[in-house]
Amino acid sequence: DTGVSQDPRHKITKRGQNVTFRCDPISEHNRLYWYRQTLGQGPEFLTYFQNEAQLEKSRLLSDRFSAERPKGSFSTLEIQRTEQGDSAMYLCASSPGVWDYGYTFGSGTRLTVV
Amino acid sequence: AQKVTQAQTEISVVEKEDVTLDCVYETRDTTYYLFWYKQPPSGELVFLIRRNSFDEQNEISGRYSWNFQKSTSSFNFTITASQVVDSAVYFCALGLTDSWGKLQFGAGTQVVVTP
Repeated sequence: DTGVSQDPRHKITKRGQNVTFRCDPISEHNRLYWYRQTLGQGPEFLTYFQNEAQLEKSRLLSDRFSAERPKGSFSTLEIQRTEQGDSAMYLCASSPGVWDYGYTFGSGTRLTVV
Repeated sequence: AQKVTQAQTEISVVEKEDVTLDCVYETRDTTYYLFWYKQPPSGELVFLIRRNSFDEQNEISGRYSWNFQKSTSSFNFTITASQVVDSAVYFCALGLTDSWGKLQFGAGTQVVVTP
């Protein structure tokens, strides 16, 4: 069990560029969550997968954001045409169940849009 | 709508002092879950405790203790005899049972423990 891995740890991109982040959950965890955290705030829910099915998306997830979890394994979060307001820490978490367990979070990907 | 309020932005203490972090939540649901997470400077959120709304028993784990009071919608967290390693941001979070595991986090409280 190596925990939840996120790649890259840091990403600096120019406004208008596309970026993609990857999350590798704990292998036996079928639930995977993406959150966004801005400076001085708590994490905000973005989207949730159970296996490969994306079951809920926050209204924060505009049309420029898309997430996938092919085959119920790793997940990717893509942001198209990045804006400065997208600068944040993007956190991934996984869980083997819904409420019987706390999430295991990854270390996050810090995105800076310049 | 549900909401989690952590009114304390930052708390500074000297090592060995006790520190209590306040958490007040709002929800109309009768069944829900409450959590505390720790975020050290490395950035990774660490799960500390989960409590469901039917269990108001207080809990102690080492130097950590939690006081859940439904009557005041509070789920407070106390660190006894604080240590420098306790320096982190602590988040309280609320989950509704029909929300697929989605959590509503508070803004967090920064705890600074100085030697």
